[in-house]
Amino acid sequence: GENVEQHPSTLSVQEGDSAVIKCTYSDSASNYFPWYKQELGKRPQLIIDIRSNVGEKKDQRIAVTLNKTAKHFSLHITETQPEDSAVYFCAASIMDTGRRALTFGSGTRLQVQP
Amino acid sequence: SAVISQKPSRDICQRGTSLTIQCQVDSQVTMMFWYRQQPGQSLTLIATANQGSEATYESGFVIDKFPISRPNLTFSTLTVSNMSPEDSSIYLCSVVREVAEQFFGPGTRLTVL
Repeated sequence: GENVEQHPSTLSVQEGDSAVIKCTYSDSASNYFPWYKQELGKRPQLIIDIRSNVGEKKDQRIAVTLNKTAKHFSLHITETQPEDSAVYFCAASIMDTGRRALTFGSGTRLQVQP
Repeated sequence: SAVISQKPSRDICQRGTSLTIQCQVDSQVTMMFWYRQQPGQSLTLIATANQGSEATYESGFVIDKFPISRPNLTFSTLTVSNMSPEDSSIYLCSVVREVAEQFFGPGTRLTVL
């Protein structure tokens, strides 16, 4: 089955700096890669996703890149703000099949220092 | 996204008892899942809730311990049976909308004493 590894486990940045979180996956059939943000005591919230037919996707301060050959994808947050502090999870799945359950990475705790 | 509710939001239970968690969605969805999130950990898939047939369980999870029902396309239940303190976790249902986007319910925080 799919295995997703995520690094780093914790990340501390100064407000205004950029943050990068990296994930690798094992199953070459995976073609959908979402990122979730989970604040303390809250449910995971989908913040951005990318599909295997594109290499990069941006949404304001957030971007995700995908390298299918190397089987890794990354989340980039620019101009970080204290409200970006949360745990971020990457995940992988296969679209358009009967099995679209997500395999999650272990999570990255991001702390943005004001 | 989808409006997903779960009941109860939290509970404290005695070991050996069972708890049924409900997940309700505001519109019909084809795929529903149940995940577990142990304290400070990532999310682990328990099973896929199949409408009209038996759930599909992941390795390490069995129907006798985690029976699941899905009577229609908007509702599912997960029962945690014969609970032990190791079952203390957050249990989340999720649904797939559109092609792949998956959204989570608010979770049920379970503490087993």
